[in-house]
Amino acid sequence: GQQVMQIPQYQHVQEGEDFTTYCNSSTTLSNIQWYKQRPGGHPVFLIQLVKSGEVKKQKRLTFQFGEAKKNSSLHITATQTTDVGTYFCAGLTSGTYKYIFGTGTRLKVLA
Amino acid sequence: KAGVTQTPRYLIKTRGQQVTLSCSPISGHRSVSWYQQTPGQGLQFLFEYFSETQRNKGNFPGRFSGRQFSNSRSEMNVSTLELGDSALYLCASSLVAGEETQYFGPGTRLLVL
Repeated sequence: GQQVMQIPQYQHVQEGEDFTTYCNSSTTLSNIQWYKQRPGGHPVFLIQLVKSGEVKKQKRLTFQFGEAKKNSSLHITATQTTDVGTYFCAGLTSGTYKYIFGTGTRLKVLA
Repeated sequence: KAGVTQTPRYLIKTRGQQVTLSCSPISGHRSVSWYQQTPGQGLQFLFEYFSETQRNKGNFPGRFSGRQFSNSRSEMNVSTLELGDSALYLCASSLVAGEETQYFGPGTRLLVL
C-alpha cells in the first residue's frame, strides 16, 4: 500500500543547533503538506508544496519538495525551545482525496 | 472565524459499547476528514466527507462509520468497541476536498476499558 516514511523518528538537539526531518513516499505525490503538533495538542498546518523542486521558507524553516515529487524535507535553522513538538508530513496521492501522513519526527530542544 | 470543534473532548467506554463523536467544521468548509492517532500507528486516515458524500475511505473495519449533514457537521460512529480503539480521534476541515489546507480540531480522546 501507499506509505510515507519519515526519518528520524526522534531528534534531540541543543538550542541553537539545526534540525532536519525527511519524508519519503513510495508513490508520486500531488502535493505535500507539513504540520506541527505540540505535546498534548493537535496538528497545525505549516505549509503546502505543490511543484516539483519547490522550496519555501518561513523565517527559520525551509521546506523542499523533491524533483520526483516523492520526497520532501523540513529544515529548521538555529532551533529554539518553542520548536519542540512532532513534525508530520502528509502527502496527497494522485487521483485521491486522502492525505497519507508520515510517521512523524519528534523534536526535543535542550536549553 | 471559529475553529474546528469536536465533542466530546474525552470519553471512557467499555468493550462492546458503541460511541458517536461529533465534529463541526470551520464555517464555509465543506470537507471533513477523520483521523485516528495512536502512539504506535501515528495518524491514520479514516474517511473523508464532502457535501454529505463519503469521498474516500481508509483501511478500517466496518465498525467505523461516519456521515455528514447538510450543514457540513460530521459524526463518526464506532460500534462494538475494542481495547485497540483507544486513541485520539481528530477531524480536519477544509474548503473543498483534497489539495487544500486542513484545519484540525482539538480531538476526542477515547479510552476503551
